[in-house]
Amino acid sequence: GESVGLHLPTLSVQEGDNSIINCAYSNSASDYFIWYKQESGKGPQFIIDIRSNMDKRQGQRVTVLLNKTVKHLSLQIAATQPGDSAVYFCAEKVGGGNKLTFGTGTQLKVEL
Amino acid sequence: EAQVTQNPRYLITVTGKKLTVTCSQNMNHEYMSWYRQDPGLGLRQIYYSMNVEVTDKGDVPEGYKVSRKEKRNFPLILESPSPNQTSLYFCASRRPGADTQYFGPGTRLTVL
Repeated sequence: GESVGLHLPTLSVQEGDNSIINCAYSNSASDYFIWYKQESGKGPQFIIDIRSNMDKRQGQRVTVLLNKTVKHLSLQIAATQPGDSAVYFCAEKVGGGNKLTFGTGTQLKVEL
Repeated sequence: EAQVTQNPRYLITVTGKKLTVTCSQNMNHEYMSWYRQDPGLGLRQIYYSMNVEVTDKGDVPEGYKVSRKEKRNFPLILESPSPNQTSLYFCASRRPGADTQYFGPGTRLTVL
């Protein structure tokens, strides 16, 4: 079946370094992708999204890259801070549909 | 403040005792949904609602009911809870045509 997965369950980075969180998707019909951040004890929070007609989108300290050829999505966090410690999920959606399919999440740990 | 609220935040109950988890949003969103989050499985959609009196099954609807009598509220009902429904539950909402969902803080349910 179609699935969204993450390459690494846990990622540890030093404060100030850049973080890269990866996500693979298998549904070639997916045309919208979202990254969510979930802090301990809280609900997922929207970070950034990208549509399939783009290959890069930048936000504040975050960049999402989309490679449709290999069905790969990544989230880059610049100058990672302790407050970035959380679980990060990617999610995908097929255009016009209502269903979001979520990945299992990557735990980002920022070491001081 | 725009938000999605859930109650209770924590609940421990016993098998077979009916319970309701409430969800309310103050953003006038028409679309609402319920998810459960389990380790290694990510977020899975239980039910969703496109508008008042319009509900539909998600990926894992068995053992759950919902109702949507008012736009702001979308309660999740477990008529006869079982231990396999022990999970972390999230309610979410979004406005029509938008892709970004706003999540509630979560309800941790334990069924003994």
